[in-house]
This record gives sequence, C-alpha cells and structure tokens, in this order.
Amino acid sequence: DIQMTQSPSSLSASVGDRVTITCRASQDIRNDLGWYQQKPGKAPNRLIYAASSLQSGVPSRFSGSGSGTEFTLTISSLQPEDFATYYCLQHNTYPLTFGGGTKVEVK
Amino acid sequence: EVQLVESGGGLVKSGGSLRLSCAASGFTFSSYSMTWVRQAPGKGLEWVSSISGTSTFIYYGDSVKGRFTISRDNARNSLYLQMNSLRVDDTAVYYCARLTCSGSTCYTPPDYWGQGTLVTVSS
Repeated sequence: DIQMTQSPSSLSASVGDRVTITCRASQDIRNDLGWYQQKPGKAPNRLIYAASSLQSGVPSRFSGSGSGTEFTLTISSLQPEDFATYYCLQHNTYPLTFGGGTKVEVK
Repeated sequence: EVQLVESGGGLVKSGGSLRLSCAASGFTFSSYSMTWVRQAPGKGLEWVSSISGTSTFIYYGDSVKGRFTISRDNARNSLYLQMNSLRVDDTAVYYCARLTCSGSTCYTPPDYWGQGTLVTVSS
C-alpha cells in the first residue's frame, strides 16, 4: 500500500499568512494527488486535482505543486474562511490513501 | 447539478448489519465509478471501497474486506454498501463520492461528495 505522510498535523496561523502543507508518498504516484478542505460537520471539498490543477470555483490563493513523491498545498494569504482541516489523497493505486490531515487553527 | 444523498445510517449492535444507500442525480450515473469513504469521530478520512460504472472492478480496504459489500443499481442511480459483522471501530460518518476511473486507473480524485450518514456500532 502507498503511505501518505502529511505534515504538519496542525499549525497556527494568522489572517494574511502564507501557509504550506506537505504530503510525501511512499512511492512514485506521478501527479495522481488531490487536496481537500474539510470544515466541522461537512463533507470534504476538493481544492486541487492532478497535484496542481485548481478546482473550478476555488479561490486562486490556493495552489498545489509537486509530482512523484513530494507534494505541497499553499495558501498564499490565509483568509478567515480557510481555517479548516486539509487532507491529501493519492489515487494512483488501490487502496486509495489519505494523508493524516492538517488542522489550520487561528494563532 | 450533481447531488449525492446518503441514507441508511443508524445505531446497531456489534455483530449486526446495516445497508447504506447513496442516491445520485444530475449526471450519467453509469459512466462513473463510485466510492465510499468514512470518518470516525474526531479522526481522519479513510477510503472504504470503490466500484466501477459497470460493476466490473470492485475494491475494498483491508479493514472491511470480507465484511462489507459494495454494489450499484444503474437503473435506479443508486450505490449501496452492505455492512455485515459490524464492529465498534466501524463507527463513522460514511460518505459516498464520485470518481472518474477506467478500470483500475482513476484519473481524478473524488470530486462530488454526499453529506454523509452516521453509523454507530455499540458494544
């Protein structure tokens, strides 16, 4: 199985900060990776697919990069509505595997 | 508008069974793979099972293999998850989601998700 190691597990940040979250795959997954945002009591919302493609309707302050085994989600200027938990997901090989999540909290 | 609506969750005793349903609308259901993802209270997301559009390809996570069965009825635009031999650690919100795959290759991660249905397994 492909393991997805996501870091950090949590971070504290202020509105306007630049935030970076990393996922590392245990083997090459090309660009078969998505990023999701989840708020309490809600379903995950896809932000990024194919590692760097922005989902329609998602603000441009979100961006994704990477390929192979190293991937990054960046929020260029954190907004109040961005405080949430973020997950990466690899869909290169079954079983599909999620990263452990990163909770972005108010500093 | 794509909509996915789960139902069938509830409280069940350990060892019991439950069948979840996911009603799909707003897209050509048979053209898409579908998947179940769960989230235990306060925990992260865990992939459970996936099924291709024609039910040819079916996959399960190790934690549910042999106990859960995924199926679909394309005439009814519905996805199902039959859960048998339920355990306390199966307690979670179960989400259905849409996948774009061909055979065992998924081109994109799940795009549309339902709101989830809560399954609680008591001892």
